[in-house]
Amino acid sequence: DTEVTQTPKHLVMGMTNKKSLKCEQHMGHRAMYWYKQKAKKPPELMFVYSYEKLSINESVPSRFSPECPNSSLLNLHLHALQPEDSALYLCASSQTTGRAEAFFGQGTRLTVV
Amino acid sequence: KNEVEQSPQNLTAQEGEFITINCSYSVGISALHWLQQHPGGGIVSLFMLSSGKKKHGRLIATINIQEKHSSLHITASHPRDSAVYICAVSSGAGSYQLTFGKGTKLSVIP
Repeated sequence: DTEVTQTPKHLVMGMTNKKSLKCEQHMGHRAMYWYKQKAKKPPELMFVYSYEKLSINESVPSRFSPECPNSSLLNLHLHALQPEDSALYLCASSQTTGRAEAFFGQGTRLTVV
Repeated sequence: KNEVEQSPQNLTAQEGEFITINCSYSVGISALHWLQQHPGGGIVSLFMLSSGKKKHGRLIATINIQEKHSSLHITASHPRDSAVYICAVSSGAGSYQLTFGKGTKLSVIP
């Protein structure tokens, strides 16, 4: 199984809503990532988890709250988002070495209205 | 911080043509990745290279560590190859985060 599975595929939420994005992998990878990708731009790193601990937070606003409940799961909790947060949110995983191949999910297309 | 430059930014080719996309980076790396993204979709890893050359079907990736340069070649291009191709690098021992290029949008016309 070389898949990273993200749910939901599409999400529309209001600015007062609370929602969560979910990411799952069963490759035994101990590094997991959240990226944000705006249209026609490369992905921007948001968070990195290593061995279920948050190791990098790229100055992401607190309205995005990551969680790694176990080595296979990564969540991104969303609250009080702004329309400019609308984007494709990508999850990825890899082994924890510099030569690790990264595996990406299909992404969640988020629209904030 | 590594700077990753890709060229060209946009590329239109006729079906069957040989295609080359280039990537250069500014500082030493532990690995270079070529990624493919179809419109609105997730990202697929095509190759991970730290030296030499790799081939998978009609795709060939090469890297020159001394020149800090990599190329992705597509032989006998097909409309289904139309996608954005992204070069990304990971740097340093234990550093597995990726630095991305801006991508090359490839359109293959029948």
